[in-house]
Amino acid sequence: QKEVEQNSGPLSVPEGAIASLNCTYSDRGSQSFFWYRQYSGKSPELIMSIYSNGDKEDGRFTAQLNKASQYVSLLIRDSQPSDSATYLCAGTRGGGSYIPTFGRGTSLIVHP
Amino acid sequence: DVKVTQSSRYLVKRTGEKVFLECVQDMDHENMFWYRQDPGLGLRLIYFSYDVKMKEKGDIPEGYSVSREKKERFSLILESASTSQTSMYLCASSINRLYEQYFGPGTRLTVT
Repeated sequence: QKEVEQNSGPLSVPEGAIASLNCTYSDRGSQSFFWYRQYSGKSPELIMSIYSNGDKEDGRFTAQLNKASQYVSLLIRDSQPSDSATYLCAGTRGGGSYIPTFGRGTSLIVHP
Repeated sequence: DVKVTQSSRYLVKRTGEKVFLECVQDMDHENMFWYRQDPGLGLRLIYFSYDVKMKEKGDIPEGYSVSREKKERFSLILESASTSQTSMYLCASSINRLYEQYFGPGTRLTVT
């Protein structure tokens, strides 16, 4: 079992809708969580980081962390075709190593 | 802005060749990472370094070695390239392992 799990998708949403991306993790000691966006042929770029339970908003993006249930989610409001990409969820392993670990990514398609 | 650069975007090598991939970051980050990314497998950590001359194995270190002689530079070495090492190689850096990573543009390596 991979430490960070994501549904590979594709998740298809119409333009203007809310896209909801989910991620679960197995290491209860994980402290930091990140969402990266990766366009085809490009490298990942950071969208959001979240460290404590609750919601964190940045523009059209909201990250949610629930440590008790061990899940992280990313909501994208007013989705645009330019949001079409693969979204990578990442966490840091516990036990003091804080080694980063990535999910395999969810492909998001926003259709006009 | 953090800038992470990689020595080549595309590289073609023959089986058995020694291959050097270089990565340079300009933000005085302590931590640097090497990943490979393959379809369906996501990002996998090969090696990371948390200080000059310090290195730690990641999840798939076999067949690779690294060198960090200066803080800004982290090199990945394929001692004897094999076709199974054909992949996209991504370098990243972070100020602290608990924080976000910044990725270079990637090197697509083909071993024939």
